[in-house]
Amino acid sequence: AQSVTQLGSHVSVSEGALVLLRCNYSSSVPPYLFWYVQYPNQGLQLLLKYTSAATLVKGINGFEAEFKKSETSFHLTKPSAHMSDAAEYFCAVSDYGGSQGNLIFGKGTKLSVKP
Amino acid sequence: DAGVTQSPTHLIKTRGQQVTLRCSPKSGHDTVSWYQQALGQGPQFIFQYYEEEERQRGNFPDRFSGHQFPNYSSELNVNALLLGDSALYLCASSLVGEETQYFGPGTRLLVL
Repeated sequence: AQSVTQLGSHVSVSEGALVLLRCNYSSSVPPYLFWYVQYPNQGLQLLLKYTSAATLVKGINGFEAEFKKSETSFHLTKPSAHMSDAAEYFCAVSDYGGSQGNLIFGKGTKLSVKP
Repeated sequence: DAGVTQSPTHLIKTRGQQVTLRCSPKSGHDTVSWYQQALGQGPQFIFQYYEEEERQRGNFPDRFSGHQFPNYSSELNVNALLLGDSALYLCASSLVGEETQYFGPGTRLLVL
């Protein structure tokens, strides 16, 4: 069965610092992986996705993630944090490793950005 | 291009009551999935509808049921509400054959 583990429920960085949010997955099939962002009292917005093409995936708002099969990881990074990045971030894996599968989410990492 | 819309935005019910939540998918999408997000947790999959049929179902009791209409919009019904059903209910739409799901703003349900 597929699963996702997000290390660190809360990450705090200073404005301008590197953002690193960790995600490890378990999948019995080649995974499709996603990062979503959730701002307070809102739904989920897709940041980026990995679907077995390039291992380094670029997303919106300057975020990117690298798929590392050997480490079963899909960590999210951004070189320089901005105050507007403060939100909760969810990593997800597609249940059947492809399209139409339901998404299995991690518990989320809340990102705080200090001025 | 309208995204995924959900109604109502907030709802308060009492234990034992029934509730219906509504979702309109993104234009051109034909598949609707529902998720429950409890406070401080990640979303959990409830079920998915395609061609007006339930195609997949997560680990939720039969009190949770749904429907998809010919225009692809969908309803989530929850019977005999429990306090533990209090959560944000998210609808996501997608197009068959594509892997990306687009989420609506959610309906926040409070059961007293």
